[in-house]
Amino acid sequence: EDQVTQSPEALRLQEGESSSLNCSYTVSGLRGLFWYRQDPGKGPEFLFTLYSAGEEKEKERLKATLTKKESFLHITAPKPEDSATYLCAVQGPGRSSASKIIFGSGTRLSIRP
Amino acid sequence: GAVVSQHPSWVICKSGTSVKIECRSLDFQATTMFWYRQFPKQSLMLMATSNEGSKATYEQGVEKDKFLINHASLTLSTLTVTSAHPEDSSFYICSATGTDYEQYFGPGTRLTVT
Repeated sequence: EDQVTQSPEALRLQEGESSSLNCSYTVSGLRGLFWYRQDPGKGPEFLFTLYSAGEEKEKERLKATLTKKESFLHITAPKPEDSATYLCAVQGPGRSSASKIIFGSGTRLSIRP
Repeated sequence: GAVVSQHPSWVICKSGTSVKIECRSLDFQATTMFWYRQFPKQSLMLMATSNEGSKATYEQGVEKDKFLINHASLTLSTLTVTSAHPEDSSFYICSATGTDYEQYFGPGTRLTVT
C-alpha cells in the first residue's frame, strides 16, 4: 500500500537556525513527489515537484532533494514568515492526470524571532 | 500561474440542510478535479476524483449519496453536502490538474454545521 510518512510532526527553530524536514515514502512506481506549504485556514501552496532520485530543486531559503526512499526539505536561515505546515505528497503510476496523490501528515514548522 | 478558486470561503448551515461548494479553475482547463477534506491539525484526505463529463470516483468510506460531485465543465466542479450533520463540519479543499499534471489547490471552504 502506498504510504507517506513525515517527520518530525512539529519543529520549532530560532530564526536563522537551519534544519531539514523528512518525507519517507513507499509507492509502487513513483511518478512525482510534491512539497506544499499550508498556512492555517488556507489551501496548500505548491512548492516543488521532484521526479527522480538525485533531483534537487531550490526556491529562496528552501531546497528539496529526493532519493529512492525519501525526500528532504532543507530550510536555510529561516525567517518567522517561513512558519507554516509543510506537506509532502506522492503520485503513483498512471498515464492520466487522474492519478491521485497521497499526502503525508505534515510537519508544523514554527520559527521564533 | 494556475489559479483555482472556491466559493464560498466559509459557510454555516443548519443540520439537515444541503450545502453546495464550487471549485473553479480560472486560467486553465481542468481535465480532473479532486475534492479533499481536512480536520484540524490533520492532513488532507482525498474524498473523490472527478473528470469532466463523467461520474466521480469516490474513495473508500466516502458516501457518494451524501457528497454529490458534479463536474459539468472543464472549469467548474461542485460538491454538495446533502443533509448535513455536525460531523460533516470540516475544511473542504479542491484541486485541479491541467495538461501539466500538476495539482493546483483552491483556498478551501470551511463548513460549520450547527
